[in-house]
Amino acid sequence: DAGVTQSPTHLIKTRGQQVTLRCSPKSGHDTVSWYQQALGQGPQFIFQYYEEEERQRGNFPDRFSGHQFPNYSSELNVNALLLGDSALYLCASSLGGADRDDEQYFGPGTRLTVT
Amino acid sequence: DQQVKQNSPSLSVQEGRISILNCDYTNSMFDYFLWYKKYPAEGPTFLISISSIKDKNEDGRFTVFLNKSAKHLSLHIVPSQPGDSAVYFCALYAGGTSYGKLTFGQGTILTVHP
Repeated sequence: DAGVTQSPTHLIKTRGQQVTLRCSPKSGHDTVSWYQQALGQGPQFIFQYYEEEERQRGNFPDRFSGHQFPNYSSELNVNALLLGDSALYLCASSLGGADRDDEQYFGPGTRLTVT
Repeated sequence: DQQVKQNSPSLSVQEGRISILNCDYTNSMFDYFLWYKKYPAEGPTFLISISSIKDKNEDGRFTVFLNKSAKHLSLHIVPSQPGDSAVYFCALYAGGTSYGKLTFGQGTILTVHP
């Protein structure tokens, strides 16, 4: 049973650049949520994609955008990178049609470093 | 404004003893409460949860307690094992139209010594 996979594992970018991170959900899941985890902090919710649309967004600027494909995989795009965007980016998958989608399965994350 | 706080950054426990991890929250809108465990280089993994209509949920060595009036959540691990050494996050969910938005605490690093 394939779990949540993310690519790449690590990434180094320069301030002002743009980055795309990728996520494939757990087999059977149709919903993807993205989180940012800064060093020493808990994960912070960025947004969730269900049926190829963003249906919930956290307190993140418009520089953070996403996309979900028909096969349920997802991308997170960050434009005009800032030093403060350096973090571990986690993808979580769940069943969007369930009564509750708090039972989320997380991938190992992508470590983004902005220099 | 931090809605969820884990005030102990770290906890050290001897193998076989009880580990107690705590979590406080400020907003009454949360109705599901979860604990996640995270090993280095891995994503958080779900451990145990509790609904707001309960005050205790048990799963093997892990028990979660919820005190709604005090807005306090705790995780008890007994007996603790070296393999339990990890970062533990409490995560709160508001249900309704929250759609996957888990609100996490800062985490507590648990170290269980043999």
